[in-house]
Amino acid sequence: SQQGEEDPQALSIQEGENATMNCSYKTSINNLQWYRQNSGRGLVHLILIRSNEREKHSGRLRVTLDTSKKSSSLLITASRAADTASYFCATVAISSGSARQLTFGSGTQLTVLP
Amino acid sequence: DSGVTQTPKHLITATGQRVTLRCSPRSGDLSVYWYQQSLDQGLQFLIQYYNGEERAKGNILERFSAQQFPDLHSELNLSSLELGDSALYFCASRTGLEDTEAFFGQGTRLTVV
Repeated sequence: SQQGEEDPQALSIQEGENATMNCSYKTSINNLQWYRQNSGRGLVHLILIRSNEREKHSGRLRVTLDTSKKSSSLLITASRAADTASYFCATVAISSGSARQLTFGSGTQLTVLP
Repeated sequence: DSGVTQTPKHLITATGQRVTLRCSPRSGDLSVYWYQQSLDQGLQFLIQYYNGEERAKGNILERFSAQQFPDLHSELNLSSLELGDSALYFCASRTGLEDTEAFFGQGTRLTVV
């Protein structure tokens, strides 16, 4: 079963606008990661935020984490057509033991219109 | 290029058949994870191997099995295939068991007809 749910399921914006995607998860986590997937291709890691961090930046990406609400958001600023992809949050649950497998959310399909 | 190689890229087979998907992790990575991605179930964790040993099982059917070989490549075997097994199968690797990013292959698209 999936750990996280993402909101919205789909988002369509104009180039230059900001895109915000939200992720909620269910269990206690060690960290939360965001991945990007271009249509039918492999997932690419974007950013990792640890459970003791509240905000992290990487280029045009800004991620926040609220462990009390079990939620995270991914903000892409000044979006470009090339940002069109599906975005997934993934968590590593404390209960995963030594395996540390990633559990993925349902994803947000972002379309950036030129 | 993630450094993770999956073969074949596409596979079309009939119901009831058996197929083997192969994954070569990044050089030096000991952990290999298998995921299934379908439209209705999303990305589901199937199984993980670390240095040749099974570490964790997720939603993997009994008809499916996997192994990791001494050279660290891994194979996912799918048998008695059903139409519902049609999906993208991804392999991911990590250096070890730490909580770091995973590197994904490009996937194998399996179509069962």
